[in-house]
Amino acid sequence: GNSVTQMEGPVTLSEEAFLTINCTYTATGYPSLFWYVQYPGEGLQLLLKATKADDKGSNKGFEATYRKETTSFHLEKGSVQVSDSAVYFCALHQSGLFFGTGTRLTVIP
Amino acid sequence: KAGVTQTPRYLIKTRGQQVTLSCSPISGHRSVSWYQQTPGQGLQFLFEYFSETQRNKGNFPGRFSGRQFSNSRSEMNVSTLELGDSALYLCASSLAVVPLGGYNEQFFGPGTRLTVL
Repeated sequence: GNSVTQMEGPVTLSEEAFLTINCTYTATGYPSLFWYVQYPGEGLQLLLKATKADDKGSNKGFEATYRKETTSFHLEKGSVQVSDSAVYFCALHQSGLFFGTGTRLTVIP
Repeated sequence: KAGVTQTPRYLIKTRGQQVTLSCSPISGHRSVSWYQQTPGQGLQFLFEYFSETQRNKGNFPGRFSGRQFSNSRSEMNVSTLELGDSALYLCASSLAVVPLGGYNEQFFGPGTRLTVL
């Protein structure tokens, strides 16, 4: 069946640090892959997406590359800000959206 | 354009009761999906509706059901509530069912927080 495994949190970083949140998936075929973000007090919103192998999704300085050979979609940002503090969810779509458990990121000044 | 709205926002029920949650999608969106979010299990897909038909279903017992109306509004029902049904129930809408290998962004509502006592 479909499943997503992402790095356990919480993650605490200082401002301007480099961020990586690992995500691997199990699915048949080639699902679309997503990162969603949930800011404090707000609803879930799409951060970036990739719909086929080797696609790179990017938004707000975040990037993730669809790696078919390693079934991975790791989220990266070169320099995090306090405003990036949120919960990040990796997800795949195949007859429904399947999410990872979420990683809480806290960025301290 | 108004976003996805869910009512009620908070609900308290007791074991054995049933509950109905409502979701109004973004105007023009015809697909509605439901998800359950709990601290232990995370976000789990319940079902997806398009044009009043259930298109996909997650791995939940039959106590969880849903429907979609001709105006695309959707309701989900949970019968014989259990303590473990306490969760945040999220609704998401998109223009249409996502084609295989394709993509239609899903827009999420704020959720209904259900507490079962």
